[in-house]
Amino acid sequence: GIQVEQSPPDLILQEGANSTLRCNFSDSVNNLQWFHQNPWGQLINLFYIPSGTKQNGRLSATTVATERYSLLYISSSQTTDSGVYFCAVVASGGSYIPTFGRGTSLIVHP
Amino acid sequence: DAEITQSPRHKITETGRQVTLACHQTWNHNNMFWYRQDLGHGLRLIHYSYGVQDTNKGEVSDGYSVSRSNTEDLPLTLESAASSQTSVYFCASSEYLAGEQFFGPGTRLTVL
Repeated sequence: GIQVEQSPPDLILQEGANSTLRCNFSDSVNNLQWFHQNPWGQLINLFYIPSGTKQNGRLSATTVATERYSLLYISSSQTTDSGVYFCAVVASGGSYIPTFGRGTSLIVHP
Repeated sequence: DAEITQSPRHKITETGRQVTLACHQTWNHNNMFWYRQDLGHGLRLIHYSYGVQDTNKGEVSDGYSVSRSNTEDLPLTLESAASSQTSVYFCASSEYLAGEQFFGPGTRLTVL
């Protein structure tokens, strides 16, 4: 099946810093989503982005499907950005089953 | 507003008991999914359904079953709970195949 690798596994920032999270995948995809799991365990949809670039406030994401990676940018980080960021993909021509990466754990210190 | 809910939010049970976790969505989505989340394993798919009367096994389906009698609900049953099934369980739904998934708040299950 498709492999999904996220990097870095852990990230510690000071409030106000910028960061880039990466998601690499091993095959072509129909779907790619970014989620934020907050410290209370809730999974929050950030982006549905099988290709192209999207922005939502301080967050933006870019997926380059032909090169099989996606990037999540967090600018001017805040303590509320802390949590785990997951990338999930659905492989093309497959069973429509999502595959999740292991996540990037982000801690933002005040 | 449309939403997806799970109940109970927390459950403690004993080894060997049957447990059912509820998932209810009001988006009228055809596709529904159950995942478990464990440290070191991320999110793993247990079962999924593409519509009423359709159910399919996921990556970690042993010891679990689901049934889909209507569009809104996909209950997850642990036939005989085991300590290895202690986990956080998430339900999700999507409108389209390979479409955007929306998650419920999760159920924390402890099997003693």
